[in-house]
Amino acid sequence: SQTIHQWPATLVQPVGSPLSLECTVEGTSNPNLYWYRQAAGRGLQLLFYSVGIGQISSEVPQNLSASRPQDRQFILSSKKLLLSDSGFYLCAWSAVTWGEKLFFGSGTQLSVL
Amino acid sequence: DAKTTQPTSMDCAEGRAANLPCNHSTISGNEYVYWYRQIHSQGPQYIIHGLKNNETNEMASLIITEDRKSSTLILPHATLRDTAVYYCIVRVGGGSSNTGKLIFGQGTTLQVKP
Repeated sequence: SQTIHQWPATLVQPVGSPLSLECTVEGTSNPNLYWYRQAAGRGLQLLFYSVGIGQISSEVPQNLSASRPQDRQFILSSKKLLLSDSGFYLCAWSAVTWGEKLFFGSGTQLSVL
Repeated sequence: DAKTTQPTSMDCAEGRAANLPCNHSTISGNEYVYWYRQIHSQGPQYIIHGLKNNETNEMASLIITEDRKSSTLILPHATLRDTAVYYCIVRVGGGSSNTGKLIFGQGTTLQVKP
């Protein structure tokens, strides 16, 4: 069966520190991968999506970057965190064989202080 | 890209049907309507999707109007665990050459009350 792992569940980081959030998918090949962010009390904002290894599309200009070093691994990074980077970060995957439904991870609650 | 309009919030009595409306008047002919829900502090969960025919699964029913400009998600017997934010989304693009990425709006906060 297909599963998605996202870690850590919670993270508290000081302003100016680096960030690395990792997401891995099991049980499917060549998935589309996504990073979403949800600020407190707000809707989900699509940050990045990837259709293959090394192929990253950014939806909004920001302080973050994404990489896909392996087929089922998606990493969200920042060199220097800002206060505005705080939020709930969600990784998701989809595949044509699953009707392009999105399957989400459990999320990472990031607090930048 | 077609956008959706949903009421900000709704209440429903436990055991009654919850009917959540969604307007998508600019939907294109090849765009699907998807519904997801998000329980507090969790990732969104897929509920159902459809193109033009009504759909039903173990979670809900989706009624799409003939002109496809609006739809309604029906939870036939709402329980307290159905309290969540419900998102109506029109699929952006699709097919083998596109990611089929979904753009989430603000959704409808459904409060199921005992």
